[in-house]
This record gives sequence, C-alpha cells and structure tokens, in this order.
Amino acid sequence: DGGITQSPKYLFRKEGQNVTLSCEQNLNHDAMYWYRQDPGQGLRLIYYSQIVNDFQKGDIAEGYSVSREKKESFPLTVTSAQKNPTAFYLCASSYDRDRVGQPQHFGDGTRLSIL
Amino acid sequence: KQEVTQIPAALSVPEGENLVLNCSFTDSAIYNLQWFRQDPGKGLTSLLLIQSSQREQTSGRLNASLDKSSGRSTLYIAASQPGDSATYLCAVRPVSNYQLIWGAGTKLIIKP
Repeated sequence: DGGITQSPKYLFRKEGQNVTLSCEQNLNHDAMYWYRQDPGQGLRLIYYSQIVNDFQKGDIAEGYSVSREKKESFPLTVTSAQKNPTAFYLCASSYDRDRVGQPQHFGDGTRLSIL
Repeated sequence: KQEVTQIPAALSVPEGENLVLNCSFTDSAIYNLQWFRQDPGKGLTSLLLIQSSQREQTSGRLNASLDKSSGRSTLYIAASQPGDSATYLCAVRPVSNYQLIWGAGTKLIIKP
C-alpha cells in the first residue's frame, strides 16, 4: 500500500545532541512537509520541499535542518540549537503544491522528548 | 494575516446524535478548506476538501459546508458512533502562499 512512513515512533534527545527523524513516501508525491504539533495549537510548518535538492523554510525553521536528496525521502534533523524540541512531529506529502485541489497525506508521527 | 479558529476545543455527546463542528477563518481569499481527523498519537487523515467555488462536500455520514463570505465552515456528522471519537482539524489554503493555515482542533468524544 502507498503511504508515508515515519520513524522512529518515539525518540529521546540528550542535551547538545542532534537527532534525525526519518520520513519516506511511496506515493510519488513531489512535495513534502515537516510540521510540529504542540498541545492545544495548530500544526506549524517547519520546512517544505517542492522538488529534489530544493527546500524552503516554514514559520519555525530555526534549530532544524532538512535534506531532499531523493524524491521519496525528507529527513528532519533537530539540532542542539532547538532549545524546546519536545513535540509531536508530522511529515506530510502531496502532489505539486500548485495543484490546489489535492490534500496532503500524513505519516503517523514521531514523538520527541528531552532526556 | 490569516487565522483559523475552531470552537469548541472539546465536545462530548451521546452516541447516535447528529453534531456540528465549527471552523472560522479571517481572510476569505482561499483556494480551499480541508477537514482532517487525528486519532490519539497518530497522524492526520484527510476527510473532505472543499474548493473555494464549492458550497459543500459529502462523504458517507460526513458533510462539510463552506461559506467563504462569512469565513465559516462546518463539519456535520450524522448518527455519531464511538468510533468517531477523535480530534478534528480544519485548515485553509490561502491564495497568498503555499502554506496551509491550521486550526487547533476540536476533540470529540462520543459516549456509548
């Protein structure tokens, strides 16, 4: 079945450590997105990528980095510069962002906590 | 700046009732509005997408309406079931940029 796979499901970060969240999709989607979800708030966009080797910052990109070396993969690194990383992270994908009638598809998320 | 609000934040109703969830947005210049469902600890599932030129969309027991001029959308759930318990989020796609703007969601509990 086509879908989006996020791993790991749970992740713990130590002080000063960088951690990487994996996101893989086999939907042949062009665009991929990373969101952060905090309790009682709407989703906030961290980064998005329209095509391979291209990505753009969202509203809260500070302390995060991404790469898009393959169409199927869009890993997110939470760096030590992100002082409040505890949150639920969601990866999504969709067809070309300009196809405005197409919904985004989501993975099951990664919950990141600080040790 | 586009803002999306969902009220109430939580709702609990007995099984079998028909119910309405609300979503309001401040700028009517949108391409579409989407409703999503999120189960605890899970990702989001797209339920309905309404284009700006449409008034409503239906899928099974779900009906979503859109009134762009008043900045409102409703999600109507008929004959609610315990399996409908989840958080429901709405999001709008503004014409001004590529990002979805999200509401904080309504947590729905259907009591057996």
